[in-house]
Amino acid sequence: AQSVAQPEDQVNVAEGNPLTVKCTYSVSGNPYLFWYVQYPNRGLQFLLKYITGDNLVKGSYGFEAEFNKSQTSFHLKKPSALVSDSALYFCAVRDMDKAAGNKLTFGGGTRVLVKP
Amino acid sequence: AAGVIQSPRHLIKEKRETATLKCYPIPRHDTVYWYQQGPGQDPQFLISFYEKMQSDKGSIPDRFSAQQFSDYHSELNMSSLELGDSALYFCASSPASNTQYFGPGTRLTVL
Repeated sequence: AQSVAQPEDQVNVAEGNPLTVKCTYSVSGNPYLFWYVQYPNRGLQFLLKYITGDNLVKGSYGFEAEFNKSQTSFHLKKPSALVSDSALYFCAVRDMDKAAGNKLTFGGGTRVLVKP
Repeated sequence: AAGVIQSPRHLIKEKRETATLKCYPIPRHDTVYWYQQGPGQDPQFLISFYEKMQSDKGSIPDRFSAQQFSDYHSELNMSSLELGDSALYFCASSPASNTQYFGPGTRLTVL
């Protein structure tokens, strides 16, 4: 079974400050890890993914995430947050083991509020 | 760039009615996924298709069925609708790279 935990329901940060959204995962095999962002009444927008290779992954809009196998974490970061980054962020995992299927399992989401 | 298209965007139905949601994947994507997102919830996987065959099944009720057609579009058929079926239904598609790209969703309201 695969699962994702996002321990914070909401993160508040001032514009220009660094932003971190936490994510930990659990899979039987090796993980594919993803971050998506959802704006109100909109679909899920892909930000970045970790498949293999460098632990630090760079994605869209200045976001990056660091894969930490020992801590089973994949925290999302942005050095300088913008008001327009205010949205709902979802971490998702897929088990590389083919027997696990190809579905994504999502965390509960973290609402980010960036204040001017 | 072309995105996943879903129709309709909004749908209102009465209890016990049926609904059909359509999804048109990004061109050359061979896998389609359906997810359900209840109010304030994270998306839950329902079902997926690869090359027109069901490839994985999640928490899809028996009242729901889905298929992928020869042009790769997919339809989610929902019967005997219940109040609890009110949700945002997302379709996603992916190529071999595994990244799933999501459509804008269909908001279903069951009255």
